[in-house]
Amino acid sequence: QTVVTQEPSFSVSPGGTVTLTCDLSSGSVSTSSYPNWYQQTPGQAPRTLIYSTNTRSSGVPDRFSGSILGNKAALTITGAQADDESDYYCMLYLGSGIWVFGGGTKLTVL
Amino acid sequence: EVQLVESGGGLVQPGGSLRLSCAASGFSFSTYWMSWVRQDPGKGLEWVANIKKDGSEKYYVDSVKGRFTISRDNAKNSLYLQMNSLRAEDTAVYYCARWGLVSRALDIWGQGTMVTVSS
Repeated sequence: QTVVTQEPSFSVSPGGTVTLTCDLSSGSVSTSSYPNWYQQTPGQAPRTLIYSTNTRSSGVPDRFSGSILGNKAALTITGAQADDESDYYCMLYLGSGIWVFGGGTKLTVL
Repeated sequence: EVQLVESGGGLVQPGGSLRLSCAASGFSFSTYWMSWVRQDPGKGLEWVANIKKDGSEKYYVDSVKGRFTISRDNAKNSLYLQMNSLRAEDTAVYYCARWGLVSRALDIWGQGTMVTVSS
């Protein structure tokens, strides 16, 4: 069974930069995995941040960026703000119509 | 306003069935792939199923294959999830979500409906 792994938690100082990663147990993440990144705050539905590796969704600030780093998908937040404190989920395409979410990263800004 | 509204959640006993509905409005429903995603309270997201815009293709996570069926009625702008042989581990908030036309991402989400499987 394919597992997608994210850091369970991360902490960043206000104004700092943080990179969250998304790893695939069965191989490398590539652009063909169409990595997506979602942000979720407690009690709310997820919000799309990044799709297809590095395209920002409408209205998403440019301090959020996506990339492939080595064999992993990555979400970088540059100049973190207090309201960036959320849970972040990656989602990857495995092929044959199947998608999978990572376990999520709880980001703390302090 | 583009909107997805789920309904049909509730408490059901193990082995029971439940049918979730998702009413879409504000966009051309028949043009979009749709999805169900679930989230165990306090835990992560899990993709459950996808359905093509005309209903001709359906895909499921392994853990629900043979038990859940995704369907849609484009005339009624509605998405459904028929859940049979429910287990305790199916307990979750179930979200209806829309796939973007250009992006391969879920771009619109409902607020979710809670399903609790317990005796």
